[in-house]
Amino acid sequence: DTAVSQTPKYLVTQMGNDKSIKCEQNLGHDTMYWYKQDSKKFLKIMFSYNNKELIINETVPNRFSPKSPDKAHLNLHINSLELGDSAVYFCASSPPGGFLGEQFFGPGTRLTVL
Amino acid sequence: AQSVTQLGSHVSVSEGALVLLRCNYSSSVPPYLFWYVQYPNQGLQLLLKYTSAATLVKGINGFEAEFKKSETSFHLTKPSAHMSDAAEYFCAVSLYTGGFKTIFGAGTRLFVKA
Repeated sequence: DTAVSQTPKYLVTQMGNDKSIKCEQNLGHDTMYWYKQDSKKFLKIMFSYNNKELIINETVPNRFSPKSPDKAHLNLHINSLELGDSAVYFCASSPPGGFLGEQFFGPGTRLTVL
Repeated sequence: AQSVTQLGSHVSVSEGALVLLRCNYSSSVPPYLFWYVQYPNQGLQLLLKYTSAATLVKGINGFEAEFKKSETSFHLTKPSAHMSDAAEYFCAVSLYTGGFKTIFGAGTRLFVKA
């Protein structure tokens, strides 16, 4: 049983295109996150949602728009893709504060912008 | 502001040797500290966490870490390395800002030689 799943696993696209990445968790968690991992493995948070409400929005270009239709799903839409958007994007979720920040990660989506 | 510094982007050990991965943190409040492991082409997986209980924390796969407030350190150790331990290791600190925000270190790549 997959806990946090992401689709697609690989995404290759041209500059200027619009693409979406989907994330679903079946752990019953309230909070979900999007992270970007660059080619040097540096991991940076982009967004966090708690019960469908945006609670963390780091300095991310407006071209990135998260959407949470329900607390089990957090999708990431990217407009006008640029070369610098190439990275691995990870979705994660965490339970209410009882686990004090522990997160469960999806397998990642490797985005390549040509 | 909270931050995490991992000393050494690459560490190489022989199979059976001690593994020591260093992490220092900066936090204005008592920290919640974590070590995550990332195997190639996978998402991050929690190894262990410190949440102000015992200062010596045991995790999965024989890893442990000791919280030393005086040294602001949370180094990860394993007495005897196994080939399967080769991976990227991330130290992280969490803070609560309406939801948990986790700041990751830059990662340390562990190589295990036969």
